[in-house]
Amino acid sequence: QKEVEQNSGPLSVPEGAIASLNCTYSDRGSQSFFWYRQYSGKSPELIMSIYSNGDKEDGRFTAQLNKASQYVSLLIRDSQPSDSATYLCAVKRITGGGNKLTFGTGTQLKVEL
Amino acid sequence: GAVVSQHPSWVICKSGTSVKIECRSLDFQATTMFWYRQFPKQSLMLMATSNEGSKATYEQGVEKDKFLINHASLTLSTLTVTSAHPEDSSFYICSASTPPVEAFFGQGTRLTVV
Repeated sequence: QKEVEQNSGPLSVPEGAIASLNCTYSDRGSQSFFWYRQYSGKSPELIMSIYSNGDKEDGRFTAQLNKASQYVSLLIRDSQPSDSATYLCAVKRITGGGNKLTFGTGTQLKVEL
Repeated sequence: GAVVSQHPSWVICKSGTSVKIECRSLDFQATTMFWYRQFPKQSLMLMATSNEGSKATYEQGVEKDKFLINHASLTLSTLTVTSAHPEDSSFYICSASTPPVEAFFGQGTRLTVV
């Protein structure tokens, strides 16, 4: 079992729709959760971070965390073609595993006109 | 967000030569920096954790004598790929960590070994 799992996609949504990206993790000791966006040929950029159960909203983005289910998701409202990218889920265990992030393989999102 | 600068953004080198990649945190002090490698259509794979003033911690399967890491100051870490071979061609990305535990990435370095 991979430590962080994501559906590789591609996930295609029409412009203006809600894109839902999902991620599951195996380490119950994980305490910090991040979503990164990576355009082709570029390095990842941080979109959202979430540390406690529930929802966290920032503009068109909402991160959802359910530690009991070991599940974290990212919702993108009013999807735009510029949102087309690969979205990486990352988790961090503060103790034991040091200070390093473990990444999923990413989900490719395509927002179509 | 914090700024991490990585240089060069791309480099082409001959097989057998060494290449140095720099990673700088521009507006904060980073006690920890991370080096990743990413092959096409794959996720980021952590190579090593670089701690200022101490030896780097390498992930399993990463040759420490081939990928030399130096974290000389709180704002600079370098990765040197020694005796590069075509299979070392990849996208190398550094990140720096600052409390809270978020990671900010450099722009990445595209290494091509010919």
